[in-house]
Amino acid sequence: EVQLVESGGGLVQPGGSLRLSCVASGFTFSGHYMDWVRQAPGKGLEWVGRTRDKGHRYTTEYAASVKGRFTISRDDSKNSLYLQMNSLTTEDTAVYYCTRVHQQFPGYDYLDYWGQGTLATVSS
Amino acid sequence: DIQMTQSPSTLSASVGDRVSITCRASQSISNCLAWYQQKPGKAPKFLIYKVSSLESGVPSRFSGSGSGTEFTLTISSLQPDDFATYYCQQYNSYPYTFGQGTKLEIK
Repeated sequence: EVQLVESGGGLVQPGGSLRLSCVASGFTFSGHYMDWVRQAPGKGLEWVGRTRDKGHRYTTEYAASVKGRFTISRDDSKNSLYLQMNSLTTEDTAVYYCTRVHQQFPGYDYLDYWGQGTLATVSS
Repeated sequence: DIQMTQSPSTLSASVGDRVSITCRASQSISNCLAWYQQKPGKAPKFLIYKVSSLESGVPSRFSGSGSGTEFTLTISSLQPDDFATYYCQQYNSYPYTFGQGTKLEIK
């Protein structure tokens, strides 16, 4: 059974940093791209970014709203995905979901499994 | 960025009704469109990929259609478990973008 378990959320002041983690199980983590998606309270879903696999040199993509402030990384030896969030603003308050990308091929790189999410609150 | 616009934002319907949700893209996204269902307090659940292909285990009352820039999610006969919020997502080009969501309510 595929499982994605996020952690690391909490309360941080504006301008601060937070690091979210996601531990994966039930599939070959190293063989999948992984994405982060967020959802502000009462709002819709926003794609945050992606990390590719080792074969694609762990390259990343980001939404414009987080580019330069957020960094996605992974540790395949620990089946773990990370989201380092810096220079946080109140606009970054959201539940952050770790998601698995089905396959790397065009047309098949949709998000087929989601974690339960972790809430990051940016407030003074 | 490609903008995804869903309509309606809210839909009131009864058990047994046939309902449709529309998703429009600001430019062509080929067939790279997915649909997700989200219930309050829960993570989204993946339903459909490549416009019309159902994920394993998704009931056949769900179907997807469309091409180019206009797409539709149809539920043929609403069941109590279907009342939720639905999101479309394009995964044709970065940044991947979601529609704003359609809340399906019990009439």
